[in-house]
Amino acid sequence: AQTVTQSQPEMSVQEAETVTLSCTYDTSENNYYLFWYKQPPSRQMILVIRQEAYKQQNATENRFSVNFQKAAKSFSLKISDSQLGDTAMYFCAFMKPYAGNMLTFGGGTRLMVKP
Amino acid sequence: EADIYQTPRYLVIGTGKKITLECSQTMGHDKMYWYQQDPGMELHLIHYSYGVNSTEKGDLSSESTVSRIRTEHFPLTLESARPSHTSQYLCASRGVGTSGVQETQYFGPGTRLLVL
Repeated sequence: AQTVTQSQPEMSVQEAETVTLSCTYDTSENNYYLFWYKQPPSRQMILVIRQEAYKQQNATENRFSVNFQKAAKSFSLKISDSQLGDTAMYFCAFMKPYAGNMLTFGGGTRLMVKP
Repeated sequence: EADIYQTPRYLVIGTGKKITLECSQTMGHDKMYWYQQDPGMELHLIHYSYGVNSTEKGDLSSESTVSRIRTEHFPLTLESARPSHTSQYLCASRGVGTSGVQETQYFGPGTRLLVL
C-alpha cells in the first residue's frame, strides 16, 4: 500500500515571497503519478500541478513548481510570488496508473499568506 | 477543468432520514469516486466505479451505498442518516480534462452534510 506524508501541518508566508511545502511518499511502484491539490475555504478541491514519475523534468505551472526526487520519494511544491488567494489547505496525492486510478492523499498543509 | 456537479451543496437533516447526494459529470469520464473528508483532515475514498454497473468499496468503510446506472451519474445514498455521518462528501471523476491531461481526478464542489 502507498502512504503519503506531509510533515508540515501549518505554514505561513508573506505576500510576494516564496514558500515550499514538503511531501514524501512510500511505494514499491516504478510508474505512478503525483499531484498537488489546493482546497481553499470554499472546500472545493482544485488541481494545482501533477507529475509523472517517468518524467525527470520537474513540472511547472505558472507560479507553482515541484521538486521531484524519485530516489528520495520526495515531491515538494514551491509557490513563488505568493498571493493572498493562495491561502488554502494543500494536499499531496499519489496515484497508480491502474487498479482504478485511486488517489492516496497526505494529511494536508494549511498555508496562510499574510499581507 | 472537468465539469462535475454535486447537489445539494449543503444539507442539514435529522437522524434516521434517507438521503441521496447527487454527483454528475458531463465529460463522459469512465471512472468516478466518492471521498469523505472531515474538517481539516485528509480525504478518504469510500466508493468508486470503473463505469456503468460497476461499484466498489474504497479504503474507508462507509454505511453509504452508490449506484452507476448512467456514465454521467454517480449518486451516493445513506438509508438512515446518523450524526456520525456528518462530514463533507467530495465526488470526483477521472479522465481528460480541458487541459488535455489524462490520469487526473477532477473534483466537484462537495456536499457538506450535517446530521442532527
